[in-house]
Amino acid sequence: GENVEQHPSTLSVQEGDSAVIKCTYSDSASNYFPWYKQELGKRPQLIIDIRSNVGEKKDQRIAVTLNKTAKHFSLHITETQPEDSAVYFCAASRNDYKLSFGAGTTVTVRA
Amino acid sequence: GAVVSQHPSWVICKSGTSVKIECRSLDFQATTMFWYRQFPKQSLMLMATSNEGSKATYEQGVEKDKFLINHASLTLSTLTVTSAHPEDSSFYICSASLAGAEITDTQYFGPGTRLTVL
Repeated sequence: GENVEQHPSTLSVQEGDSAVIKCTYSDSASNYFPWYKQELGKRPQLIIDIRSNVGEKKDQRIAVTLNKTAKHFSLHITETQPEDSAVYFCAASRNDYKLSFGAGTTVTVRA
Repeated sequence: GAVVSQHPSWVICKSGTSVKIECRSLDFQATTMFWYRQFPKQSLMLMATSNEGSKATYEQGVEKDKFLINHASLTLSTLTVTSAHPEDSSFYICSASLAGAEITDTQYFGPGTRLTVL
């Protein structure tokens, strides 16, 4: 099955700086790569996603890049704010729509 | 749009009892619903895939007789944890994907149910 690895496990950044989280996947048939933000005790919330026919996608301060050849994708958050502090999960799925999640990255934005 | 609810939000039960968790898509019909389990400070692990009108598909290592899933309609799936034990204590989260949409891989998550087995 699909194996998704996520790094780093924790990330502390100064407010205003950028944060980058990287994920790799093992199944070349994976074609959908969402990123979720989860606050303590809450549901995961989709913040951005990318499909295999696209190399990069941006939504305001958030961007995702995908390198299909290397089988890795990254989340970039610019101009970080305290409210960006949360656990971020990457995931990957194939046409069966089953999501395999990374282990998560705890992001702390220092004011 | 695309709101998913779960009930109850939390439940405490005695060891050996069964607990039913409901997952509903409130403003859309869901072709498929998924059930995940999340232990503290860990990632989400897919337990099973639930399709309306058919049997659920369980992931390797998940006991289908212990975690009963019923998907009776396009807006409701239920997960019953039978004969619960303390090791079943976890955060159970469902998700749903849209039926009939051009893109159906986007999953919308419910708020989760915190199960504590004493």
